[in-house]
Amino acid sequence: AQSVTQLGSHVSVSEGALVLLRCNYSSSVPPYLFWYVQYPNQGLQLLLKYTSAATLVKGINGFEAEFKKSETSFHLTKPSAHMSDAAEYFCAVSDRSGTYKYIFGTGTRLKVLA
Amino acid sequence: DSGVTQTPKHLITATGQRVTLRCSPRSGDLSVYWYQQSLDQGLQFLIQYYNGEERAKGNILERFSAQQFPDLHSELNLSSLELGDSALYFCASSRTGGVGTGELFFGEGSRLTVL
Repeated sequence: AQSVTQLGSHVSVSEGALVLLRCNYSSSVPPYLFWYVQYPNQGLQLLLKYTSAATLVKGINGFEAEFKKSETSFHLTKPSAHMSDAAEYFCAVSDRSGTYKYIFGTGTRLKVLA
Repeated sequence: DSGVTQTPKHLITATGQRVTLRCSPRSGDLSVYWYQQSLDQGLQFLIQYYNGEERAKGNILERFSAQQFPDLHSELNLSSLELGDSALYFCASSRTGGVGTGELFFGEGSRLTVL
């Protein structure tokens, strides 16, 4: 069964520092992978997605993620954190085997310190 | 604005009661997903419908049921409510219902409080 694991339920970085949010997946076939962001009192919105084209995927707001099959990882990075990046981030997987499920990780809450 | 509308935004009810949450997907989206978000269990997939038919089922309790109507709106029915059912319930929609490369568009959620 497919699943995603996000390491670290809370991450704090200083403004201007590198953001690294970790996501590892488990799937019997190469999956489709996504990062979503949830701001307070809002629904989730897509940051970026991997669908087997380029392994380095660029998203909105300066975020990017790299698909590494050998490490079964899809970590999210941003070179320089901004206060407005404070939110909860979810990694998600959607498999190709026909089960149609779209599974989310437990989320990582990012705090940006001034 | 994602284009997905959920009502009500907030709902307070008592244990043992039944509630219905409603979702209108984005115009043209055929697939509707329901998720439950709670502090201790994160974002749990409940069920997916595509063009009126159930497509996938997740961790949905037997006390819960859902359906998608011909106009593509969906309702999630929660019955015999327990304190532990208090959570934020999200609806999301997508253009397709097949193996998903597509983005999910989320509503703002319905916050259920069971007292």
